[in-house]
Amino acid sequence: EPEVTQTPSHQVTQMGQEVILRCVPISNHLYFYWYRQILGQKVEFLVSFYNNEISEKSEIFDDQFSVERPDGSNFTLKIRSTKLEDSAMYFCASSEASGLTYNEQFFGPGTRLTVL
Amino acid sequence: DAKTTQPPSMDCAEGRAANLPCNHSTISGNEYVYWYRQIHSQGPQYIIHGLKNNETNEMASLIITEDRKSSTLILPHATLRDTAVYYCIVRVKNDYKLSFGAGTTVTVRA
Repeated sequence: EPEVTQTPSHQVTQMGQEVILRCVPISNHLYFYWYRQILGQKVEFLVSFYNNEISEKSEIFDDQFSVERPDGSNFTLKIRSTKLEDSAMYFCASSEASGLTYNEQFFGPGTRLTVL
Repeated sequence: DAKTTQPPSMDCAEGRAANLPCNHSTISGNEYVYWYRQIHSQGPQYIIHGLKNNETNEMASLIITEDRKSSTLILPHATLRDTAVYYCIVRVKNDYKLSFGAGTTVTVRA
C-alpha cells in the first residue's frame, strides 16, 4: 500500500540554525500539507500546497517557514532560523486532486524536531 | 474556535462496540463530519466522513443525527490496536486544512 514517507525521523538542531524536513508524498497525489504537533498539544495545520504554490497557510506559518517541491517526488519544509518553540513533531500529508469529492489526507509518520 | 465537543477519554472492552460521541451544534449545511485517529503520536489516520446520511466502511460506522448537531462513531468490535486518540472534525468540503481538537482518548482493555 502506498504511503507518505518522511526523513529524518528525528532532527536535533541548535537554536538559530536552519532545518529542512523532507517528505515523499504518495506518487499520484497533487495536494500536499504540513502539520505540527507540539508535545501534549493538538495537531495544528501549517500549510497546504498545490500546483507549485501555497493554497492556504495558518498564522503559525510565518516568514521563517517555507515549502518547496524541488522535484517530482519530494516536498520540503524549511525553517530558516529555528526557535525553541519550534520543537514539535512535524507531519507531512498528501491527498489526491480534490475536485468535487473529498479526498482523505494520508499522513506520514512524522519528524520529531528538537531545538536546543 | 472549536466547532466540535468530544469527551476527553473513554474506556472500552476488547471485542465490544465502542461508541464515540461528538457534538457539533453549530455545524452549517455545507460542512461535513470527519473522523480521524492518531495512534501513539503516529500520523493521523482517516476513518470515515459523512454529511447527513449514516455511513459505514471497513473500519467504522458513522451515525449523524437528523438535525446534524451531533454524531457517533462506532467501532463495531474494538481491538487493542484501536487504542488511540479519535478526532471529530467539521470541515467544509473544499477547505484544505483539517482543524484538530483535543479528541477523545480511547483505551481498549482486554
